[in-house]
Amino acid sequence: GAVVSQHPSRVICKSGTSVKIECRSLDFQATTMFWYRQFPKQSLMLMATSNEGSKATYEQGVEKDKFLINHASLTLSTLTVTSAHPEDSSFYICSARGRSGGVGANTQYFGPGTRLTVL
Amino acid sequence: SQKIEQNSEALNIQEGKTATLTCNYTNYSPAYLQWYRQDPGRGPVFLLLIRENEKEKRKERLKVTFDTTLKQSLFHITASQPADSATYLCALEGTNAGKSTFGDGTTLTVKP
Repeated sequence: GAVVSQHPSRVICKSGTSVKIECRSLDFQATTMFWYRQFPKQSLMLMATSNEGSKATYEQGVEKDKFLINHASLTLSTLTVTSAHPEDSSFYICSARGRSGGVGANTQYFGPGTRLTVL
Repeated sequence: SQKIEQNSEALNIQEGKTATLTCNYTNYSPAYLQWYRQDPGRGPVFLLLIRENEKEKRKERLKVTFDTTLKQSLFHITASQPADSATYLCALEGTNAGKSTFGDGTTLTVKP
């Protein structure tokens, strides 16, 4: 149980285009989803926290207009990188947490990650 | 400010030995502490969770200890195998934080 998928696994795009990444909890309801980015040989950097049906909470220094997050249902959250530039190239990882007392509670279950390369 | 430190960026051990990884924290009162494994190019995989009122937890060859007085957790892998080679992350979460703070990780290499 507690499986999280991410799509696409890898994307290459031109500078100025927008890229959407999907994160799905496959076998549990995710009341909270988190979006991270990770640079080579560095740890996870939390970008934002999203709760189903409400606006995402962004960490300091993360541009909310550039990284649009939508948590439309209990199993799906999307991250859209708008007007991507080469400096946005990174490894983006989502995680999901289930309802208190239910499957996936108290622990974050991570997706496999999306490698974004902006040319 | 809250700080999490994991011992040395890299740890090299011989197959069959016990690997011990350390996670120290300051300015934090975590309700939970978690250990994850991350392979290159992949998302972290949850291994173990230990609560503030628990001293030790085991799962197969893995053992985690949690000392809230020392503000430290130790993560042990016994009878280590080359397949255990990966980066191991510790993460802390407060009672109402809703989000975890991750350490930078320790890269373990088990040599045959």
